[in-house]
Amino acid sequence: SQQGEEDPQALSIQEGENATMNCSYKTSINNLQWYRQNSGRGLVHLILIRSNEREKHSGRLRVTLDTSKKSSSLLITASRAADTASYFCATYVNDMRFGAGTRLTVKP
Amino acid sequence: DGGITQSPKYLFRKEGQNVTLSCEQNLNHDAMYWYRQDPGQGLRLIYYSQIVNDFQKGDIAEGYSVSREKKESFPLTVTSAQKNPTAFYLCASSTGTVSTQYFGPGTRLTVL
Repeated sequence: SQQGEEDPQALSIQEGENATMNCSYKTSINNLQWYRQNSGRGLVHLILIRSNEREKHSGRLRVTLDTSKKSSSLLITASRAADTASYFCATYVNDMRFGAGTRLTVKP
Repeated sequence: DGGITQSPKYLFRKEGQNVTLSCEQNLNHDAMYWYRQDPGQGLRLIYYSQIVNDFQKGDIAEGYSVSREKKESFPLTVTSAQKNPTAFYLCASSTGTVSTQYFGPGTRLTVL
């Protein structure tokens, strides 16, 4: 069964705009991770945020975690066409659980 | 080059056949995983292994089998008991079960 659920399911923006994706989960977690998947490829790890952290940055990525609301958000700033991909959140309880993903399309 | 490889990239199976998907890693990771992904869906865990000669079932293990005889290798067999095996299969590895997972490029299995 899935632990995380991403919202929205699909997002379409223009190049240069910011993209925000949300993830909600059901149970207490050790950490939350975000991954990217280009069409037909494997997943690539983007960022890991631990349960005692509230915000983390990596380049144009900003991840927040609110354990009281059991939610996380991924912000991609100044998006590029190359950011077009599906983005998944993953949480570890007894094993790693992935959400269904947000499909991001960045139009040039 | 360190990494995780899967072969073949595309695989076609006739009904009633067993097929084996290969997954090899040279990252010296203890944990390895197999996931199934259907079109437009997330990943579902089939099997995972935390150490050699030990593995656990995930959510959808029925119709699949695995072995972990070597640290580097975690092959997945899709048996004829799996009634709807057409999907994209992803293998991953990590240093531990709470750690970042590193994924292979995937194998797309199609039943003819």
